[in-house]
Amino acid sequence: SQQGEEDPQALSIQEGENATMNCSYKTSINNLQWYRQNSGRGLVHLILIRSNEREKHSGRLRVTLDTSKKSSSLLITASRAADTASYFCATDSTGGFKTIFGAGTRLFVKA
Amino acid sequence: DTGVSQDPRHKITKRGQNVTFRCDPISEHNRLYWYRQTLGQGPEFLTYFQNEAQLEKSRLLSDRFSAERPKGSFSTLEIQRTEQGDSAMYLCASRTSGDSYEQYFGPGTRLTVT
Repeated sequence: SQQGEEDPQALSIQEGENATMNCSYKTSINNLQWYRQNSGRGLVHLILIRSNEREKHSGRLRVTLDTSKKSSSLLITASRAADTASYFCATDSTGGFKTIFGAGTRLFVKA
Repeated sequence: DTGVSQDPRHKITKRGQNVTFRCDPISEHNRLYWYRQTLGQGPEFLTYFQNEAQLEKSRLLSDRFSAERPKGSFSTLEIQRTEQGDSAMYLCASRTSGDSYEQYFGPGTRLTVT
């Protein structure tokens, strides 16, 4: 498969808890992005981190990137029922135009 | 609504028929992507356009698939001699040039091959 790996495949938490999901990839990258997909709104961009950055924050989202391990993590703090969705990491490789998505983590936040 | 539209939203066809999907990106976006997504999986890259030039095509794409983007505006994806394995959601995304890599996705076309 051309896709990266995401871990866990599924995650169920209570509202108010934090959710952490991880992504590993295979090639050298320019940047790594996280997207959310739910049935109501399709795929929506959440946050981008460049290859020369190690951590980035946006609201309740915190993303880290470790290029030596070819891995990233997405932390959602104080989760809400509305955060229930699938979350995908996506990488843009150096020297190409292809964007590669992971298989996704399915997050379920219980009210 | 991201501003990217796709037509049709659903298509049911019989095996062996040809189908064509259309994507209208955000007007100022010169970069356009097609992806295929099956249940429980992430989007799989199919092809990429910069303006009207098709600069990358996945090896997953067989000769039955072709995409065009005449005049660098809307794009079409055609599948010839459809097979049951082609059943999937076909997604289109667009973005601007430069270092803003955020892709805006359309709602997708769900293809069912019977």
